Amino acid sequence: RKEVEQDPGPFNVPEGATVAFNCTYSNSASQSFFWYRQDCRKEPKLLMSVYSSGNEDGRFTAQLNRASQYISLLIRDSKLSDSATYLCVVNNVGTASKLTFGTGTRLQVTL
Amino acid sequence: GAGVSQSPRYKVAKRGQDVALRCDPISGHVSLFWYQQALGQGPEFLTYFQNEAQLDKSGLPSDRFFAERPEGSVSTLKIQRTQQEDSAVYLCASSLGHTKNSNQPQHFGDGTRLSIL
Repeated sequence: RKEVEQDPGPFNVPEGATVAFNCTYSNSASQSFFWYRQDCRKEPKLLMSVYSSGNEDGRFTAQLNRASQYISLLIRDSKLSDSATYLCVVNNVGTASKLTFGTGTRLQVTL
Repeated sequence: GAGVSQSPRYKVAKRGQDVALRCDPISGHVSLFWYQQALGQGPEFLTYFQNEAQLDKSGLPSDRFFAERPEGSVSTLKIQRTQQEDSAVYLCASSLGHTKNSNQPQHFGDGTRLSIL
């Protein structure tokens, strides 16, 4: 079993829709959580950090449930430019900041 | 440039050849990471440097993989006697932070796309 699990998708949604991605992690010692975005043939870019209290950045909302070891990302009013792969990422205690990535969830927003 | 720079962007080599991939991190960034990303997968950790010290090389898949950062700036990932399974995108990332500050964001380069024939 992979340490970070995501549904690979693809999620095909119309412009303006709300879409949610979920992720689970297996290591209860994980201490930091992130969502990265990766466009085709490009490098991963940090979208947002994820905090236990939940956090929002414009149309994007991230939630963390430590008890269930579950992370989510909600995208409201999706745009064509949101089409990308969304990577769920964790960092574990004592691992010198190395990031552990899920396989990513592919999102395709259509007209 | 202001970002992480990697070269070459693309590398094609015959099985058995040695290759060297270069990473130029953001100026002043203490931490440098190498990741390997296979097609359809997320990046997987290879190794980590804090300045010139290689503090974690637990992700290197075999002793054919070697990384160095002799002056605490530019890093080179070398793969000896390449195999077809080494074909992947090799990503370099750097961050300001030291070991204890795990929330420093990592900034990635464009990667080197390695194809072994």
